[in-house]
Amino acid sequence: GAVVSQHPSWVICKSGTSVKIECRSLDFQATTMFWYRQFPKQSLMLMATSNEGSKATYEQGVEKDKFLINHASLTLSTLTVTSAHPEDSSFYICSARAGGNEQFFGPGTRLTVL
Amino acid sequence: GQSLEQPSEVTAVEGAIVQINCTYQTSGFYGLSWYQQHDGGAPTFLSYNGLDGLEETGRFSSFLSRSDSYGYLLLQELQMKDSASYFCAVGGATNKLIFGTGTLLAVQP
Repeated sequence: GAVVSQHPSWVICKSGTSVKIECRSLDFQATTMFWYRQFPKQSLMLMATSNEGSKATYEQGVEKDKFLINHASLTLSTLTVTSAHPEDSSFYICSARAGGNEQFFGPGTRLTVL
Repeated sequence: GQSLEQPSEVTAVEGAIVQINCTYQTSGFYGLSWYQQHDGGAPTFLSYNGLDGLEETGRFSSFLSRSDSYGYLLLQELQMKDSASYFCAVGGATNKLIFGTGTLLAVQP
């Protein structure tokens, strides 16, 4: 199957700093990628749809100025958590479709804000 | 609003059959998918139903009734490695997925 990678796999940062998470489709091109957030023992919550060459589409309740998304190429989308606070600590996962009905997920990035 | 409800936990023994239900209310519907997620890992695709009926993939089967806004995942010949969280997800416009509340399956020896 298609492979999606994320970097870093985990990050610890101080409150008030910004963190960038990369999502790459390794063997296919993705005009659209998706970013999810998952708190412990909860479901995946869709944050935004990342569109190559245009602005991201954010789900209701997600602050676009706090979670900056850039889809610079057909294989790379980045999520920047700006001025992170402890409540932003979560598991962030990206996904993409390579054609067909299956979405391929990255391995996730565990963010801990101290 | 959109919601997909699942039982929070299910427990079964090795070799048994278990059914995980999913009822949904969404503004758009582009098929029902099922994903498995082991603790700390990424979700992996199990099955997809675009039309009513049963889809079978090895030990896993999935069913959809669009008129009832209902589907289920059936796992047969349970193995210890099947212990994980299972999520139903409804596809929406632009291919995005909205996930259900999730079911934690515990398989006991």
